[in-house]
Amino acid sequence: QQQVKQSPQSLIVQKGGIPIINCAYENTAFDYFPWYQQFPGKGPALLIAIRPDVSEKKEGRFTISFNKSAKQFSLHIMDSQPGDSATYFCAVVNDYKLSFGAGTTVTVRA
Amino acid sequence: DARVTQTPRHKVTEMGQEVTMRCQPILGHNTVFWYRQTMMQGLELLAYFRNRAPLDDSGMPKDRFSAEMPDATLATLKIQPSEPRDSAVYFCASGLMGVLQPQHFGDGTRLSIL
Repeated sequence: QQQVKQSPQSLIVQKGGIPIINCAYENTAFDYFPWYQQFPGKGPALLIAIRPDVSEKKEGRFTISFNKSAKQFSLHIMDSQPGDSATYFCAVVNDYKLSFGAGTTVTVRA
Repeated sequence: DARVTQTPRHKVTEMGQEVTMRCQPILGHNTVFWYRQTMMQGLELLAYFRNRAPLDDSGMPKDRFSAEMPDATLATLKIQPSEPRDSAVYFCASGLMGVLQPQHFGDGTRLSIL
């Protein structure tokens, strides 16, 4: 049973565009909401994360928006670059346990 | 730059054979996780160790899978006997204790069971 639903499955944007990935969850007991980035042949790597008492967090070109009442959070990639082409996973954390969304493959065309 | 090291990177073997995957966590990390990634199921947690003690292996098929940490620098995941449905990429991750602590992933072992 997936703890978090992620959409879309894939996304293609032009360089400079803003891909947006959305995630929704049901359980309100989660402590932490990270996003991981995965390149082919590599393990996932933490990109950015947000706590549930914060509505927005920015790190460089990456922004998480968090809507606690709607139980949704999203990742925006500002001024996207071809090097951002990767698979992105949202996740929810309860104690030690990371539960991942299904992943979104983002392609940024030059 | 400290990294989680996994060996082997690739393994192809026949059904019924024993498979052992190894992981060297980042020095000083006291939590270790094993995940499996497939197209159908995505990333699933198989096992979790804290200070070398297994705390959660509920995601693991108990009859054929086993996970251990013989010492703080080595974690192993064994499959015996292996089956074609075990074909997947297996990731090890390590971290420090604490909800807000990130998990650092290795580059995985790509396992193919023929």
